[in-house]
Amino acid sequence: QKEVEQNSGPLSVPEGAIASLNCTYSDRGSQSFFWYRQYSGKSPELIMFIYSNGDKEDGRFTAQLNKASQYVSLLIRDSQPSDSATYLCAVNRGGSQGNLIFGKGTKLSVKP
Amino acid sequence: NAGVMQNPRHLVRRRGQEARLRCSPMKGHSHVYWYRQLPEEGLKFMVYLQKENIIDESGMPKERFSAEFPKEGPSILRIQQVVRGDSAAYFCASSPSGPRTDTQYFGPGTRLTVL
Repeated sequence: QKEVEQNSGPLSVPEGAIASLNCTYSDRGSQSFFWYRQYSGKSPELIMFIYSNGDKEDGRFTAQLNKASQYVSLLIRDSQPSDSATYLCAVNRGGSQGNLIFGKGTKLSVKP
Repeated sequence: NAGVMQNPRHLVRRRGQEARLRCSPMKGHSHVYWYRQLPEEGLKFMVYLQKENIIDESGMPKERFSAEFPKEGPSILRIQQVVRGDSAAYFCASSPSGPRTDTQYFGPGTRLTVL
């Protein structure tokens, strides 16, 4: 089983729709969960982090965490063409600081 | 620019040469991480350093790769005797001290090409 798993996509949504990105992880000891956005040829950009079960909202972004199901998701409301990028889910390795495990990412395409 | 800085942005080396990649963390950050991203692959953790200390090097290849973060100056990732398989994007990230030290911010990366 892969440590952090994401659907590679591409996920295509029309402009203005809600994009839903999902991630599962295998290490029950993980405590910190992150979403990064990476444009082609660029570096990852931190957009959300979540540590507690439930929802966390920041502007058009909502992160959802369910530790019992080992599942974390990112919702993007009112999707814009500029949101088209690869979204990386990252999870800290339980019992260690700093060692983030990344999924391979989901490629999102927002069509005008 | 208060962000994470990396240089060079692009580096070309011939097989057998040495590559030195530099990283200056974000102002106020004392933790540095190095990751490698191969084409069409995910980001892979390599090493985690604090000033003058290697905290976790579990992702570093056993040979040819080394990293340091001296008391003064940037963190250095050194690759000796490079091979074609070392061609990749190398990203540095930094984080602050404290309870959320794993909240990492990435630099622009160094794209290494080995001819």
